[in-house]
Amino acid sequence: EAGVAQSPRYKIIEKRQSVAFWCNPISGHATLYWYQQILGQGPKLLIQFQNNGVVDDSQLPKDRFSAERLKGVDSTLKIQPAKLEDSAVYLCASSFRVGGYTFGSGTRLTVV
Amino acid sequence: SQQGEEDPQALSIQEGENATMNCSYKTSINNLQWYRQNSGRGLVHLILIRSNEREKHSGRLRVTLDTSKKSSSLLITASRAADTASYFCATDTTQGGSEKLVFGKGTKLTVNP
Repeated sequence: EAGVAQSPRYKIIEKRQSVAFWCNPISGHATLYWYQQILGQGPKLLIQFQNNGVVDDSQLPKDRFSAERLKGVDSTLKIQPAKLEDSAVYLCASSFRVGGYTFGSGTRLTVV
Repeated sequence: SQQGEEDPQALSIQEGENATMNCSYKTSINNLQWYRQNSGRGLVHLILIRSNEREKHSGRLRVTLDTSKKSSSLLITASRAADTASYFCATDTTQGGSEKLVFGKGTKLTVNP
């Protein structure tokens, strides 16, 4: 089966600019996750969708981050405006059953 | 918030030696998973151990789980230079009716040829 697709692979932006990341999960996976991984740390869950509804966004900085999953398939994560501390790898994952997670390759964001 | 805490944070060994990494967590789990991440690359799923299992093997990997102590260990036997990577434990829990995967901070393993 095809994996979780993410784009772009890399992005460099200046602080205060906006940026968007895209994720296409594995077909049929109802649950989709966005993680933020800062260099040297473990991934941190930002937001979790079940179909097109938000299940958990408790760690999403809502003043600047937003995410949507229209039609319960693809998802986009947006940052506006970006800060230097947002430099990280943004990972998307999807699952259909307990324990069955598949991760994408991630988008590496550098904010200068 | 991070649930798992890996120990040690960094480990350097010689090729052929065994590497042991430990993980402690705080709440009840559905299962515990170990992932590997090469520098700048994506996460690779290594092994999953369910809460009712105590030990699991996969190739050169051996994972143990002690739910009474809320801890797990990952043993890599006969290590190779290609095993150099960061290793993360992740706990799969059900909170508020939804399943989520929470990662620890990772152990950076260096295997010297």
